Amino acid sequence: DSGVTQTPKHLITATGQRVTLRCSPRSGDLSVYWYQQSLDQGLQFLIQYYNGEERAKGNILERFSAQQFPDLHSELNLSSLELGDSALYFCASTWTNTGELFFGEGSRLTVL
Amino acid sequence: GQQLNQSPQSMFIQEGEDVSMNCTSSSIFNTWLWYKQDPGEGPVLLIALYKAGELTSNGRLTAQFGITRKDSFLNISASIPSDVGIYFCAGDYTSGTYKYIFGTGTRLKVLA
Repeated sequence: DSGVTQTPKHLITATGQRVTLRCSPRSGDLSVYWYQQSLDQGLQFLIQYYNGEERAKGNILERFSAQQFPDLHSELNLSSLELGDSALYFCASTWTNTGELFFGEGSRLTVL
Repeated sequence: GQQLNQSPQSMFIQEGEDVSMNCTSSSIFNTWLWYKQDPGEGPVLLIALYKAGELTSNGRLTAQFGITRKDSFLNISASIPSDVGIYFCAGDYTSGTYKYIFGTGTRLKVLA
């Protein structure tokens, strides 16, 4: 158990819909990262937050947005969903001092 | 998005054999992380490397931070069936803000 909690574990929805994925980082970790992993693909970086502020942006679509709240949990919002958005979405967190990145178990999104 | 060159892409080995894989880049990295991912699960951190030339072990796993800081290597000794999975490297190219680029993954299959 990495200590990073993601919900929901599985989500099935239809095209055009909107979903919210939630992540609670490890206790004490200030940085939260979101990654997308399509079937049999590598990990694509979406966005990073540090202590509530956006720190870095990767290949995140305009239909996607994220935020980190004062209690450090984060949410990834995916809207106007398309079939190609079906993927595993991972959250990860780091402790500032070591940079070790710990992943949650992921949220599997299926868009039908 | 950006990804590190990781090789081999996949490999079949006999149980008991040693395995080597590597990640290379034209960029310099300050931290290297190695992960193992089982199907449908989140990547699990195996080893973290912080200094050029550093050699770190975790059980049967040994990883090295390349002296040029542009590459890293992971060796698995005496492989066993549960070593099956996808191994990813990740490199941080920043100084302290931990922005990671991931390798394309090495898919390992162990034949009993």
